[in-house]
Amino acid sequence: DAGVIQSPRHEVTEMGQEVTLRCKPISGHDYLFWYRQTMMRGLELLIYFNNNVPIDDSGMPEDRFSAKMPNASFSTLKIQPSEPRDSAVYFCASNRRTSGSYNEQFFGPGTRLTVL
Amino acid sequence: RKEVEQDPGPFNVPEGATVAFNCTYSNSASQSFFWYRQDCRKEPKLLMSVYSSGNEDGRFTAQLNRASQYISLLIRDSKLSDSATYLCVVVGNQFYFGTGTSLTVIP
Repeated sequence: DAGVIQSPRHEVTEMGQEVTLRCKPISGHDYLFWYRQTMMRGLELLIYFNNNVPIDDSGMPEDRFSAKMPNASFSTLKIQPSEPRDSAVYFCASNRRTSGSYNEQFFGPGTRLTVL
Repeated sequence: RKEVEQDPGPFNVPEGATVAFNCTYSNSASQSFFWYRQDCRKEPKLLMSVYSSGNEDGRFTAQLNRASQYISLLIRDSKLSDSATYLCVVVGNQFYFGTGTSLTVIP
């Protein structure tokens, strides 16, 4: 089975440009998570969706960040305009909740973003 | 106060050593617990779940202490291939990841 798919794997852009990161969760999973990882701050939850609906976006750093999940098999994280401090690895993860308890999250390979 | 506190290390141990990591959590109502492993420049992957009664998978043992609100991971007979960052995860109303503990096993 295919795991979580993310694209692009690497993105280098200039400050001020719009960046769009894409994620395809594992089929059948009803939760999707976007994380950002840096050396300084570790793994930070940005936003998560349940059945395509955003549940908690309190981790989104500011209005420059937005995320959508138009259907069960696709989500985007957009940064507009991008800034050098946005440079990080962005992970998408998905999981399925059964019998009221959370199962493990499966992570995609990540998008390594560099903003110059 | 952070939801999950984890000693970042680093831990540098010789091959064959036993090493233990702990994480403390703040929400007593937390429901599920996991240990993830992350290799350099890779995504985190599940190492093992943590059950109330404790569980073992080969050289790895995970334990949960609800009274003191911590989880632990014990690695016996360390191998070079165990070198990685280990992240604890505590699940309440959402997933909370620790900052990770770096382990290097030295020949």
